[in-house]
Amino acid sequence: EIVLTQSPGTLSLSPGERATLSCRASQSVSSSYLAWYQQKPGQAPRLLIYGASSRATGIPDRFSGSGSGTDFTLTISRLDPEDFAVYYCQQYGSSPRYTFGQGTKLEIK
Amino acid sequence: QFQLVQSGAEVKKPGSSVRVSCKASGGAFGDYDISWVRQAPGQGLEWMGGIIPIFGPANYAQKFLGRVTITADESTSTAYMDLSSLTSEDTAVYYCARALLGGGYHSGHFDYWGQGTLVTVSA
Repeated sequence: EIVLTQSPGTLSLSPGERATLSCRASQSVSSSYLAWYQQKPGQAPRLLIYGASSRATGIPDRFSGSGSGTDFTLTISRLDPEDFAVYYCQQYGSSPRYTFGQGTKLEIK
Repeated sequence: QFQLVQSGAEVKKPGSSVRVSCKASGGAFGDYDISWVRQAPGQGLEWMGGIIPIFGPANYAQKFLGRVTITADESTSTAYMDLSSLTSEDTAVYYCARALLGGGYHSGHFDYWGQGTLVTVSA
């Protein structure tokens, strides 16, 4: 089973700053099958990035994804107040078919 | 516009079972891989299992084997998740989510999610 470890657990930043979130896999993950989600309280997760670096429909270009193999990064270039939320990475592969990281909480400093 | 609409909140006794439904509209049900993901209070996302209706049997995360059953009714574009032998640790929001398929392609990510169904297990 592939385990995804996200860091940091909590990231405290101010609006306008740059956020860098990490997702490390216990074994190599196909870049085609690495995604990032944003979740706000009381809401379902929202797809941000798929295929490690492709933005989903309607996602602002301040969100970008990068990485390959076992190390992946979600970058938010300039934080907007609406970006403060919890972020999850997710991989698709063999059993289990999907796994999620434990999440990074992005909070206002 | 594609949508996944789930059934309403449930309160269950320990030891009982629950069924949550997820109805798809606005697309061809057979083109999807429908999964169930749960989120306990204050916790992260956990994949439970999923089904590709045109391929038949579901597959499940090891943790839930023997306790969860996922089925799909193509005639009504509805997926179901049955969870048995409930304990307080099953108190969570349960989401259905869609991954796209097509021509040997699997997207590998969830582009649409249901609104979530809160299942509370309490004596």
